[in-house]
Amino acid sequence: EVQLMESGGGLVQPGGSLRLSCAASGFTFSDYYMDWVRQAPGKGLEWVSRIRNKANNYATHYAASVQGRFTISRDDLKNSLSLQMNSLKTEDTALYYCVRVALHATPVKVIDYWGPGTLVTVSS
Amino acid sequence: EIVLTQSPDFQSVTPKEKVTITCRASQSIDNSLHWYQQKPDQSPKLLIKYASESFSGVPSRFSGSGSGTDFTLTINSLEAEDAATYYCHQSSSLPYTFGQGTKLEIK
Repeated sequence: EVQLMESGGGLVQPGGSLRLSCAASGFTFSDYYMDWVRQAPGKGLEWVSRIRNKANNYATHYAASVQGRFTISRDDLKNSLSLQMNSLKTEDTALYYCVRVALHATPVKVIDYWGPGTLVTVSS
Repeated sequence: EIVLTQSPDFQSVTPKEKVTITCRASQSIDNSLHWYQQKPDQSPKLLIKYASESFSGVPSRFSGSGSGTDFTLTINSLEAEDAATYYCHQSSSLPYTFGQGTKLEIK
């Protein structure tokens, strides 16, 4: 069974930093791309970042809204995904989901499993 | 950025009714369109991938169609447990984007 469990959320002041983690189990973590997706309270879904697998050089991608402030990383030995968030803004307040990207023969991928999320609140 | 526009934003429906939700992309995305269901206080769950392929374990009353810019999620014979918000999502090109969501209320 695929399991994703986020941690590290909390209350932080504007301009502060926070590091989110995601523990993965139930699949061969190193084979998969992984994403972060967020959802502001009462709002819709926003894709945040992607990290590819080793075969694709761990390439990373970011939404414009977080580019230069957030850094995605992974530890394939620990089956762990991370998101380092710096220079946080009030608009970064959201539930952050760790998600798995399904293996697929084509370049176009699909998110197939989601964790329960961890809440980040940016407020003074 | 590819914008996905869903309609309607909200729909109140009765059990056993047939429901259709549409998603329009601001440019062609071939079949790179996926549908998710999010129930209150839960994470989203994948229903339909690549416009029309059902994800494992999804009830057969859920189906998807479309290609290019216009897509449809159909729920045949709606059940009370289908009360949720439904999102379309494109993975054709970065940045990946989601529709604004369609909330289904069961009368």
